[in-house]
Amino acid sequence: QVQLVQSGGEVKKPGASVKVSCKASGYIFTSHGISWVRQAPGQGLEWMAWIRTYDGNTNYAQKLQGRVTMTTDTSTSTAYMELRSLRSDDTAVYYCARARGVTTGFDYWGQGTLVTVSS
Amino acid sequence: SYVLTQPPSVSVAPGKTARITCGGNNIGDKSVHWYQQRPGQAPVLVIYYDSARPSGIPERFSGSNSGNTATLTISRVEAGDEADYYCQVWDSSSDHVVFGGGTKLTVL
Repeated sequence: QVQLVQSGGEVKKPGASVKVSCKASGYIFTSHGISWVRQAPGQGLEWMAWIRTYDGNTNYAQKLQGRVTMTTDTSTSTAYMELRSLRSDDTAVYYCARARGVTTGFDYWGQGTLVTVSS
Repeated sequence: SYVLTQPPSVSVAPGKTARITCGGNNIGDKSVHWYQQRPGQAPVLVIYYDSARPSGIPERFSGSNSGNTATLTISRVEAGDEADYYCQVWDSSSDHVVFGGGTKLTVL
């Protein structure tokens, strides 16, 4: 069965970086793209980035340009999201989600990773 | 940038029909997807491409999209349907995924 398993929660200080992983199983990794979506406490869903897994092509939300990088390791079917220069308002649950293409819905989601930014 | 507008809350009695709207400029020209998110859980896709249901989603869930409004309809509402619901589109002009602000469905 399809699974997206994310790395564990992180606590970071302002200005630091965080890297969250998302390991896929149960399907051919390069057949679907991966997006990262975050949700601040009590807030809605915010799309962050998309990576086309078969060639590594990326697309980032404008507000995060320059601070976020998505990568993949196709040998381990793992996607990574790195967010730099963390601020308190980056505190959120971060989800990875897969989709066949950018116009399709996200049919499987990871369990979420809580990233807390606090001094 | 493209904006999707949802009502913050919708309330419905058990057994009745809930309708959750998602407004956007000419949204009828886009493909709309809907997600259900229960507290403390990851979102679940309940409708894709305006009106298609993934396997495992009850037939009580349906969707439509025309003009400036997309609608998620939940028939014969059950207590277990109480959750937050989000609409989502791909905005080709910005190459961005866009989510609506979410609607909290309360089952009275």
